[in-house]
Amino acid sequence: SQQGEEDPQALSIQEGENATMNCSYKTSINNLQWYRQNSGRGLVHLILIRSNEREKHSGRLRVTLDTSKKSSSLLITASRAADTASYFCATGLSGTYKYIFGTGTRLKVLA
Amino acid sequence: DAGVIQSPRHEVTEMGQEVTLRCKPISGHNSLFWYRQTMMRGLELLIYFNNNVPIDDSGMPEDRFSAKMPNASFSTLKIQPSEPRDSAVYFCASSPGTGSYGYTFGSGTRLTVV
Repeated sequence: SQQGEEDPQALSIQEGENATMNCSYKTSINNLQWYRQNSGRGLVHLILIRSNEREKHSGRLRVTLDTSKKSSSLLITASRAADTASYFCATGLSGTYKYIFGTGTRLKVLA
Repeated sequence: DAGVIQSPRHEVTEMGQEVTLRCKPISGHNSLFWYRQTMMRGLELLIYFNNNVPIDDSGMPEDRFSAKMPNASFSTLKIQPSEPRDSAVYFCASSPGTGSYGYTFGSGTRLTVV
């Protein structure tokens, strides 16, 4: 089964609104990453948050991590049509090099 | 830097044929990963190389799949013989190392086995 499960599976919002996606996982992690995938393209690394960090910002992106709840959230503020894509969390399993990708959230930003 | 380069972008082949997918990682990256993406199973890690050495191939679905990394700038994933259920998008990714590094993904090879 997937280590990471994103919620919601799909999200549709208006341009300018904020988009929040959540990721839950099952086992201990070293860190967690978020990626974006545009249709028909490869994944693009957005941000990495370590297990001892609680919040991280990068431009319009804000990521939180709650290791006690085994969950993370990705907030995209002031969304744009160009943010339309699928977003994946990837959990770096403790004691390994492995990253396990979640099921993804399909975000659609309407102009 | 041109990023991670994969070829071909698209491959259509008949069942039973051999398929070879190619990847050129970013120069200086010593970790290379092959992933497979399908609607049903999402992104699956197939194999991981570190410094050209296969470290973990537990994700390779069966003996029909093999991967090599003869040098730091080239890797191949081979399927022989191919089957329709192998149809997927295959991604190669590289990173500067293991641990707290993001991966750089290639654009993928869309494989269709008919």
